[in-house]
Amino acid sequence: EVQLVETGGGLVQPGRSLKLSCVASGFTFNNYWMSWTRQAPGKGLEWVASITNSGGSTYYPDSVKGRFTISRDNAQNTLYLQMNSLRSEDTATYYCTRDGDSSPFDYWGQGVMVTVSS
Amino acid sequence: DIQMTQSPSFLSASVGDRVTINCKASQNINKYLNWYQQKLGEAPKLLIYNTNNLQTGIPSRFSGSGSGTDYTLTISSLQPEDVATYFCLQHSSRPDTFGAGTKLELK
Repeated sequence: EVQLVETGGGLVQPGRSLKLSCVASGFTFNNYWMSWTRQAPGKGLEWVASITNSGGSTYYPDSVKGRFTISRDNAQNTLYLQMNSLRSEDTATYYCTRDGDSSPFDYWGQGVMVTVSS
Repeated sequence: DIQMTQSPSFLSASVGDRVTINCKASQNINKYLNWYQQKLGEAPKLLIYNTNNLQTGIPSRFSGSGSGTDYTLTISSLQPEDVATYFCLQHSSRPDTFGAGTKLELK
């Protein structure tokens, strides 16, 4: 069974940093691209970052480019999201997602809440 | 970026009803359209990928159709456990973009 478990969320002040982790199990982690997606309270979903299976390439939307960094440790089956220069508009639940063989975002973790507030 | 316009935003239906939810893309997305179900307090779940392919384990009352810019999710006979918010996703070109969601409730 595919499982994705996120940790690292919390309350952080604007301008500060936070690092999220996602431990994957139930599949061969280093065979799959992985992504982060977020959902602001009461809002829709927004893709945040993706990384290739080797970690050699990463992709971001303009809203987080230059502030967020996605990375992975294939030996530890772990995905990361380093978030710097956080803004109030980054407040959201962040989901770790797998990009499957036929479709992106085929499995999702339970999510972790990040609140950016002074 | 490709904009996804989802309708309706809110839908109330009775058990056994046929329900349809629509997504319209701002340009041709070549059937790269997924549908997700999100129950209250839970993570989204993939229902249908690439317009009409049912994800493993999803009941056959869910189906998808469409082409070009217009896509539809159909629930053939609504069940109580289908109460949820439904989102579409286009993955034709980056950035992948989601519809705003349809909240489905029982009448």
